[in-house]
Amino acid sequence: KAGVTQTPRYLIKTRGQQVTLSCSPISGHRSVSWYQQTPGQGLQFLFEYFSETQRNKGNFPGRFSGRQFSNSRSEMNVSTLELGDSALYLCASSSGGPEDTQYFGPGTRLTVL
Amino acid sequence: AQTVTQSQPEMSVQEAETVTLSCTYDTSENNYYLFWYKQPPSRQMILVIRQEAYKQQNATENRFSVNFQKAAKSFSLKISDSQLGDTAMYFCAFMKLVPSDMRFGAGTRLTVKP
Repeated sequence: KAGVTQTPRYLIKTRGQQVTLSCSPISGHRSVSWYQQTPGQGLQFLFEYFSETQRNKGNFPGRFSGRQFSNSRSEMNVSTLELGDSALYLCASSSGGPEDTQYFGPGTRLTVL
Repeated sequence: AQTVTQSQPEMSVQEAETVTLSCTYDTSENNYYLFWYKQPPSRQMILVIRQEAYKQQNATENRFSVNFQKAAKSFSLKISDSQLGDTAMYFCAFMKLVPSDMRFGAGTRLTVKP
């Protein structure tokens, strides 16, 4: 099976712009979770989607949003970018049960100038 | 809220030796899962080992094993016969069942020296 894929791998934006990141889960997986990784804050949970519904949400401002499509692919959107949004954004997929292991993608490195 | 603490920011070990990475967590949940993930330099995160809280037996995966102490809320990772390819950031993670969001520790950077 192909692993979790994320596009694009690298992105450079300027403050105030918006950005959309994409994540394709492992075939058959219905849950996609998003994480932000920064040197200062470490890995922080953003949100999880399961069967096109947001099932859980971390403590991030409303500028961070996401969605999931019927094929389980997920997108994450960040509006009005701030310098502090520079980070590695990771997505992880699983079958969807709480006991299921999450498999991570390679991440999208976002730099905000 | 669940918190995960990794008190060793950096560690090093000689090739072929054994090293133990520490992790403690705080939770009021009784059922949960614990994980160790490995993130090699510029490479993606991969699962090393997982432990179900309801299982008393410690999980093992080849050279990797854990010491799970539920009462002490401790979950350490032991790497035996360390190899150069074990050089990576190691993250301890906690996941409660509902809702199932994962909380990570700050990570331990492990360097295996030849």
